[in-house]
Amino acid sequence: DVKVTQSSRYLVKRTGEKVFLECVQDMDHENMFWYRQDPGLGLRLIYFSYDVKMKEKGDIPEGYSVSREKKERFSLILESASTNQTSMYLCASSANLGTGGNEQYFGPGTRLTVT
Amino acid sequence: AQSVTQPDIHITVSEGASLELRCNYSYGATPYLFWYVQSPGQGLQLLLKYFSGDTLVQGIKGFEAEFKRSQSSFNLRKPSVHWSDAAEYFCAVGAPGNAGNMLTFGGGTRLMVKP
Repeated sequence: DVKVTQSSRYLVKRTGEKVFLECVQDMDHENMFWYRQDPGLGLRLIYFSYDVKMKEKGDIPEGYSVSREKKERFSLILESASTNQTSMYLCASSANLGTGGNEQYFGPGTRLTVT
Repeated sequence: AQSVTQPDIHITVSEGASLELRCNYSYGATPYLFWYVQSPGQGLQLLLKYFSGDTLVQGIKGFEAEFKRSQSSFNLRKPSVHWSDAAEYFCAVGAPGNAGNMLTFGGGTRLMVKP
C-alpha cells in the first residue's frame, strides 16, 4: 500500500512566522505535489516536483516555496505566514509508469490556521 | 489547458436511492479521468479511473463511471447509496504526457445521505 504521510494534522501559527509542512512518501514515486483546499474552490495546485531538486510552479505559488532534497520528501514553506494562508494543505505523489493514467496518492492533510 | 466542472455543489439523497454525480471536462483529446472521495478530515481516496478501453469503469465501494466523449462527461453513479457514502467527491482530469502527471480537479460535490 502506498503511504503518504504529512508531519502534522493540525497546526496553528502566528502571522509572520515561517512555516514548514513536511510530506513523505514510501513508494519511490517520482512526482510529488502540494495543494491547498478551500471550500467551494476544490484543490488548487501550489507546486509540484518531478524529480529531486526539481520544482515547478502550480496555479497559486505566490507566498510559498518548496524543497525536495530527497526523493521521498517534499516540503512546503510559508516564508511569512499570513491569515489568507489559513487552509487545508494536501500532499500527493504519483509514479511515472509510462502508460499514463497514473493516479495521485494523497496524505491525510494538514489543517493550518494562521492567527 | 484542461478544466473540470462539477455543476452540483451539494446533493442530498435518501439512503438506498440511486446516485449520479456529474462531471464535465474540457480537453482537446481523450484525457485521463479520475474520481476521488474525501471523507471528513481525511485525504483523498481514488474511487476509479479511466484512461483507455471500456468506457464504463468499475471502482471501489460499488461505484461506477461512464466516459462519454460526445458529451465531455464522466459521471459517477451508484445504484444504492449507503449512509457511509456521505463525503465530498472530486472529479479530476489529466492530460496524457504532461510533465509530472499533473491533474486538474473540479470544485467538488458534497453528498449528504438522509436516513
